[in-house]
Amino acid sequence: DTAVSQTPKYLVTQMGNDKSIKCEQNLGHDTMYWYKQDSKKFLKIMFSYNNKELIINETVPNRFSPKSPDKAHLNLHINSLELGDSAVYFCASSEGLAGYQETQYFGPGTRLLVL
Amino acid sequence: AQSVTQPDIHITVSEGASLELRCNYSYGATPYLFWYVQSPGQGLQLLLKYFSGDTLVQGIKGFEAEFKRSQSSFNLRKPSVHWSDAAEYFCAVGAHGGGADGLTFGKGTHLIIQP
Repeated sequence: DTAVSQTPKYLVTQMGNDKSIKCEQNLGHDTMYWYKQDSKKFLKIMFSYNNKELIINETVPNRFSPKSPDKAHLNLHINSLELGDSAVYFCASSEGLAGYQETQYFGPGTRLLVL
Repeated sequence: AQSVTQPDIHITVSEGASLELRCNYSYGATPYLFWYVQSPGQGLQLLLKYFSGDTLVQGIKGFEAEFKRSQSSFNLRKPSVHWSDAAEYFCAVGAHGGGADGLTFGKGTHLIIQP
């Protein structure tokens, strides 16, 4: 069973489009995250979210918005895509509410290419 | 704000040789430290973590790491590498606050295994 899954695995789209990436975890975890990995493999957190609080990294443009229909899902919506959004996006989850001190389980990543 | 430095972008090691990957962190309090591995085209997998207690921690796949507060380091070691260890290795620090309760990653070290 896949613990953290993401769809799609690959996403190629045009500048200006709006797209979504889905994430699901079947671990029963309370907190989920989105990370962005750029072309130099640098990983940076974008959001952390549990049922009480959304914490946004201040450097993330407001074109990016996480949406959580339930505890097991945290989808990433991106409006007006730009070339610089091309990256690999990873979803992750952790058991409790303090992600900074817990093991995070990562999904396989979604490779986004904006043309 | 917290930060993580991995000084070596690439490291090449012969199969069967020992390995040490360096990691230095900057954080005002006692850090929560992690090593993750990313195989090509895959998500991240936790190798080991340090929260408190014994400063030498054992992880999966024969890896270990030692926390040295005086040097602000958390270096990863393996006594004998296997070809399957070729991957990208990320050191991370968990820190509360400062923009999303997640992990701050180093830029990674790419490990190449020579036959």
